Amino acid sequence: DAKTTQPNSMESNEEEPVHLPCNHSTISGTDYIHWYRQLPSQGPEYVIHGLTSNVNNRMASLAIAEDRKSSTLILHRATLRDAAVYYCILRDASYNQGGKLIFGQGTELSVKP
Amino acid sequence: GAVVSQHPSRVICKSGTSVKIECRSLDFQATTMFWYRQFPKQSLMLMATSNEGSKATYEQGVEKDKFLINHASLTLSTLTVTSAHPEDSSFYICSASPGGQPQHFGDGTRLSIL
Repeated sequence: DAKTTQPNSMESNEEEPVHLPCNHSTISGTDYIHWYRQLPSQGPEYVIHGLTSNVNNRMASLAIAEDRKSSTLILHRATLRDAAVYYCILRDASYNQGGKLIFGQGTELSVKP
Repeated sequence: GAVVSQHPSRVICKSGTSVKIECRSLDFQATTMFWYRQFPKQSLMLMATSNEGSKATYEQGVEKDKFLINHASLTLSTLTVTSAHPEDSSFYICSASPGGQPQHFGDGTRLSIL
């Protein structure tokens, strides 16, 4: 699986936007970019995913660089409940490994009131 | 939406005990489920792929005789930690997906071996 690199930690203020970066310079053409987050003492939850175009959903937006070697998860207005570890994961489109996810270290986001 | 349930959420037991953890897909069928382990302040580590009706596939370094996986139905996979010791204390998490969709994770089982 292609490797991703994320900052270990980031801080944000409540109700301000947060941009969480992820580098994936060895991404292949069939890799989707997935983001999951893990709140304390819980299992991870799906946030968003994309291939080439920017994506929006009710939780967040995903901005993907034109060369696909990096991406940014955008939380438009951080709340205290967004404090979590955010994982950027590459997953092959063919799901030929049955959908297993290989987690990196992720970014621990703290949100200050 | 798709829900994955784990049971128990927490278990404390004596060294040498075998512990069974259940993972259920509540509103979909899953031919494949995944088991992860997470130590404090660390990321999730994939342990094995549970395959309905066949043997599990273990990741390198994971002892298959230590961590027994059974996937006897399309909605249930079990992980049994045999003869557990304090070093097996960890947060165990399962996941499953309703066919091509993103993975859905259980809330995890915190295992403490005294």
